[in-house]
Amino acid sequence: AQSVTQLDSQVPVFEEAPVELRCNYSSSVSVYLFWYVQYPNQGLQLLLKYLSGSTLVKGINGFEAEFNKSQTSFHLRKPSVHISDTAEYFCAVSRGGGADGLTFGKGTHLIIQP
Amino acid sequence: EPEVTQTPSHQVTQMGQEVILRCVPISNHLYFYWYRQILGQKVEFLVSFYNNEISEKSEIFDDQFSVERPDGSNFTLKIRSTKLEDSAMYFCASSGWGDRVSRTQYFGPGTRLTVL
Repeated sequence: AQSVTQLDSQVPVFEEAPVELRCNYSSSVSVYLFWYVQYPNQGLQLLLKYLSGSTLVKGINGFEAEFNKSQTSFHLRKPSVHISDTAEYFCAVSRGGGADGLTFGKGTHLIIQP
Repeated sequence: EPEVTQTPSHQVTQMGQEVILRCVPISNHLYFYWYRQILGQKVEFLVSFYNNEISEKSEIFDDQFSVERPDGSNFTLKIRSTKLEDSAMYFCASSGWGDRVSRTQYFGPGTRLTVL
């Protein structure tokens, strides 16, 4: 079984400042890693994913994440945030089988302050 | 851009009643999923569906739950006798042949189920 821990339930950041949202996972097998974003009253939208290869992955809206196998982490970063980045961010893992469900973390609410 | 749709957006029901939540996955997708999120808690996997049968289900997905693909477009989740603890946001997701490699699941906006 796998699990995901998002260490911060809420992260307040000033506009144009950098941000890092932390995610750690636990699994006895290799996993695929994902970050999803949920804007108010909307579904979950994929930001980026790590399947294999380069440990630094880039996603939409200027976000990137780095897979660190030794630390079992997949932290999400953005060098300069905007008001429009205010949302709930979810880290998730999957074993990668065709119909495998995603295991999610509890989510981090990113609050951008003007 | 194709998207997953869900109806209704909000469903209110009495305890013990049956509810059916509906989803229209992206048209060329082959894998379908249901998740739920109880208020203040994490998104939890319920079930996945492929080739007209359940592929994987979690401990939450007990005999009170069932899924069906009644036609070529809809994917439904039925709760036979709702309990108060079934109150949650239910998300449908789908992924396709091309996405089988990329592992990307596309999510709908959710149905908020309130059991009174």
